[in-house]
Amino acid sequence: EPEVTQTPSHQVTQMGQEVILRCVPISNHLYFYWYRQILGQKVEFLVSFYNNEISEKSEIFDDQFSVERPDGSNFTLKIRSTKLEDSAMYFCASREPRSNYGYTFGSGTRLTVV
Amino acid sequence: AQSVTQLGSHVSVSEGALVLLRCNYSSSVPPYLFWYVQYPNQGLQLLLKYTTGATLVKGINGFEAEFKKSETSFHLTKPSAHMSDAAEYFCAVSDPRNSGYSTLTFGKGTMLLVSP
Repeated sequence: EPEVTQTPSHQVTQMGQEVILRCVPISNHLYFYWYRQILGQKVEFLVSFYNNEISEKSEIFDDQFSVERPDGSNFTLKIRSTKLEDSAMYFCASREPRSNYGYTFGSGTRLTVV
Repeated sequence: AQSVTQLGSHVSVSEGALVLLRCNYSSSVPPYLFWYVQYPNQGLQLLLKYTTGATLVKGINGFEAEFKKSETSFHLTKPSAHMSDAAEYFCAVSDPRNSGYSTLTFGKGTMLLVSP
C-alpha cells in the first residue's frame, strides 16, 4: 500500500538553528499538508500546498516557517530559527485529487529543540 | 470555526469489554467526521469516516461510529476490546464546503489502555 514517508523520525536541534523536515508524499496525490502535535496537545493544522503554492495556512505558520516541493517528489517544511516551543511531532500528509477526505499521513518527525 | 472535544484523555478497559470513546463537535454545518488511530511510533491511520448517507459507519478492526446530528456527536465503539487496540484515538472534522483543501480539525486524542 502506498505510504507517505517522513525523514528523519527524530531530530534534535539547538534553539536558533534551522531545520528541514522532509516528506515524500504518495506519487499521484496533489494536495500536501503539514500538521503538528505538541506533546499532550491537539494535532494542529499548519499549512496546505497545492499546485506549487500554499493554499491555506494557520496562524501558527508564521514567517519562521516555509514549505516547498523542490523536485516534484519531496515536500519539505523549513523552520528558520527554531524556538523551544517548536518542539513537537510534525506530520506530513497527502491527499488524492478526487477525494476531499482521502488523507494519508506519514509516521511523523519528532523535533526536539534544546 | 469548527472544534472537536474528546472526553477523557485516557480510557481503560479490560480485554473483551466494550470500548466507547466519545467525540463531540461544533460546526456551523454538518461536517465530515473521522476517527484516526495512532499506534506507537506510527502515523495517523484512518479508522472510519462519515460524509453522507447512513449515520452508522463501520471501520477497520471492528470499530464503528454513529453520527448523531441532534447530539453533535460521533462516538467510537467496539463491542469487545483486544490488547492490540491499545493506541491513541483522534476524532477529527472537516468542512464539506471546503472541498478543495479540506483541512482537518482534530480533538486532543484519547489514549485507550487495554488490560488483560
